Amino acid sequence: DADVTQTPRNRITKTGKRIMLECSQTKGHDRMYWYRQDPGLGLRLIYYSFDVKDINKGEISDGYSVSRQAQAKFSLSLESAIPNQTALYFCATSDGIYYPGQPQHFGDGTRLSIL
Amino acid sequence: GENVEQHPSTLSVQEGDSAVIKCTYSDSASNYFPWYKQELGKGPQLIIDIRSNVGEKKDQRIAVTLNKTAKHFSLHITETQPEDSAVYFCAARSSPRGGGADGLTFGKGTHLIIQP
Repeated sequence: DADVTQTPRNRITKTGKRIMLECSQTKGHDRMYWYRQDPGLGLRLIYYSFDVKDINKGEISDGYSVSRQAQAKFSLSLESAIPNQTALYFCATSDGIYYPGQPQHFGDGTRLSIL
Repeated sequence: GENVEQHPSTLSVQEGDSAVIKCTYSDSASNYFPWYKQELGKGPQLIIDIRSNVGEKKDQRIAVTLNKTAKHFSLHITETQPEDSAVYFCAARSSPRGGGADGLTFGKGTHLIIQP
């Protein structure tokens, strides 16, 4: 089984709908992240969480919200989806040891299309 | 915030030759530089990383070099094989204590094509 599992893997929905993407991990890591990938733009950070009570905005948080339900679960919500949120979304985890940087481990992504 | 530039966007090499991908970063406080390989339909997979207190790191056919003064780092793949074909991303992590987000800033990726 994958260490970082994202559901659903693919989703097509309409403008204005509320959508939730889910991420669960079995690595026991404290830190979790949500990234968005667009063609030619690489990955960009949306939100990150150090632990259940610590949520922080990333580079492109507008239009998104997150919930850290447990150490192992981190969900991303689009309250009212718009077409330019069509993208590939990745969840990642890393160990809580801070310095000087720990590897991030990625799920296989959710491909989201908003019509 | 951090800005990472990656070149080239596409790189085609003959099987058995070497491939080099280069990245520059803007934040002198950045302290961690991973490289990821992404295959179609998969998430990025870490292939090698380097921390700011080291100038070079090698793992079999893959090596990474870091020049902190010039703020650039490079990925070197020797004796390339067909399975090396993928998109490669460099990234940099700024220290949250310096005010940056605790996430990675990625380059835009290099599509590496290994010609048989």
